[in-house]
Amino acid sequence: DTGVSQDPRHKITKRGQNVTFRCDPISEHNRLYWYRQTLGQGPEFLTYFQNEAQLEKSRLLSDRFSAERPKGSFSTLEIQRTEQGDSAMYLCASSLAGSRAGETQYFGPGTRLLVL
Amino acid sequence: AQKITQTQPGMFVQEKEAVTLDCTYDTSDPSYGLFWYKQPSSGEMIFLIYQGSYDQQNATEGRYSLNFQKARKSANLVISASQLGDSAMYFCAMREGRGDYKLSFGAGTTVTVRA
Repeated sequence: DTGVSQDPRHKITKRGQNVTFRCDPISEHNRLYWYRQTLGQGPEFLTYFQNEAQLEKSRLLSDRFSAERPKGSFSTLEIQRTEQGDSAMYLCASSLAGSRAGETQYFGPGTRLLVL
Repeated sequence: AQKITQTQPGMFVQEKEAVTLDCTYDTSDPSYGLFWYKQPSSGEMIFLIYQGSYDQQNATEGRYSLNFQKARKSANLVISASQLGDSAMYFCAMREGRGDYKLSFGAGTTVTVRA
C-alpha cells in the first residue's frame, strides 16, 4: 500500500469556477479527514468521515464547500463558486479507528489550489 | 484560545547537533494525544512521533524524542544528530478527548540545518 493519495496535486482556476479534489485513503483506514492550510500556517480542520458518514464539519466549511465519501473509500471535496480566499493547500488524512499511537492520522501530498 | 502554541518561527542548527522545538498546549480534557509532524517543501505532512496524556514515559522514535512535561503542558520535540534532510517545517498537533478525532495544529517552526 502506497499511503494516502490526492488528485490533482495542483489546480489553478478562475474565480467563480467550481473545483473538485479527490482523496484515496490508506486502504484499511475507515476514518478520513480534510484540512486546509494557508501559507505560513498550520493545517485547519474542515471535516471528517467515519466510513461513509460525515460526522463533523468545521464552521470553516461554508455552504460553498461539500465533501462526500460515497462508499466509505475515496472522498471528494468540492468548492463551488471559488473565491480568491479559497487559495490554499487542501490536505487529506486517514486513520484506522482504534489503532495504536493515538490513532495516528497519515496525510496525503495535498492539493494546492490557486484561485485567480 | 490557541490550543497549540509554537513560539519559534524559525531555527538554525548545525549538522550533527541536536535541536529542541518548543510546543505548549491548552486543554482541560484529561485524555489527549500530542503529535509531531514534519512538512518538507514538497508539502506532505510526515508523522514523526506521538505522546499520549497517560503515557508514563517520554516517547522516542529513532532520532526523535518528545520531552513531555504534563504539569507545564509542554511537549517539546528533540531531534538529535541533525541531518541536512531534517530541514523542514515542524508542526505540533493535539487531539483532545476520546470522542474527538480532529487535530489542532500549531503555527509551526521552520528548521534549517547547516552543513
